[in-house]
Amino acid sequence: ETLLTQSPATLSLSPGERATLSCRASQYIGNSLGWYQQKPGQAPRLLFYYASNRATDIPARFSGSGSGTDFTLTISSLEPEDSAVYYCQQRRSWPDTFGQGTKLEIK
Amino acid sequence: QVQLVQSGAEMKKPGASVKVSCKAGGYTFTDYFIHWVRQAPGQGLEWMGRINPNSGATNLAQKFQGSVTMTRDTSISTAYMEWSSLKSDDTAVFYCVKLWGWTVAGTSDFLDVWGQGTAVTVSS
Repeated sequence: ETLLTQSPATLSLSPGERATLSCRASQYIGNSLGWYQQKPGQAPRLLFYYASNRATDIPARFSGSGSGTDFTLTISSLEPEDSAVYYCQQRRSWPDTFGQGTKLEIK
Repeated sequence: QVQLVQSGAEMKKPGASVKVSCKAGGYTFTDYFIHWVRQAPGQGLEWMGRINPNSGATNLAQKFQGSVTMTRDTSISTAYMEWSSLKSDDTAVFYCVKLWGWTVAGTSDFLDVWGQGTAVTVSS
């Protein structure tokens, strides 16, 4: 099973700042990585598929990058509504797995 | 529009079973896998398995084999997840998902759709 390790566990930043979230895979997964945003009481929402392809209606301030084992989700200028838990997910190897999440707090 | 609508919250006693439904709309049900994801209270997301609605074939993560059954009824475009012999630490929200990736035919698919989630509480 491919383990995904996300860092940091928690991130506290102010509006307008830049957020950088990391996801590291325990083995090579190519670019078969997705990023999700989950707000309290809601289902997760896909942000990126295949590491860097922005999903429908995702604002341009979000970007995804990486391949192989190291991936990054960047939010260039934080908005208050970006407060959420962010998960990475790999779809390369069986079974699908998720990272443990990064909680992003907006001060 | 493409949507997945799940059945309502359930409260069960330990040892009981629960069956959660997931009705698909807005697309051809048999063309896309339905996945199930569990989220325990305050915890992360855990992929449980998937069903091919066309063939009925299932693939379950090892930890769910023996306790979880996934089925479908193509006549009403609905997938089901049944969990037997529930324990109190099985309390969770269950999501059915049409995940990005590929269709049952193996072609690429980038539309990702989640049901609203079904809370299952196991308590005596």
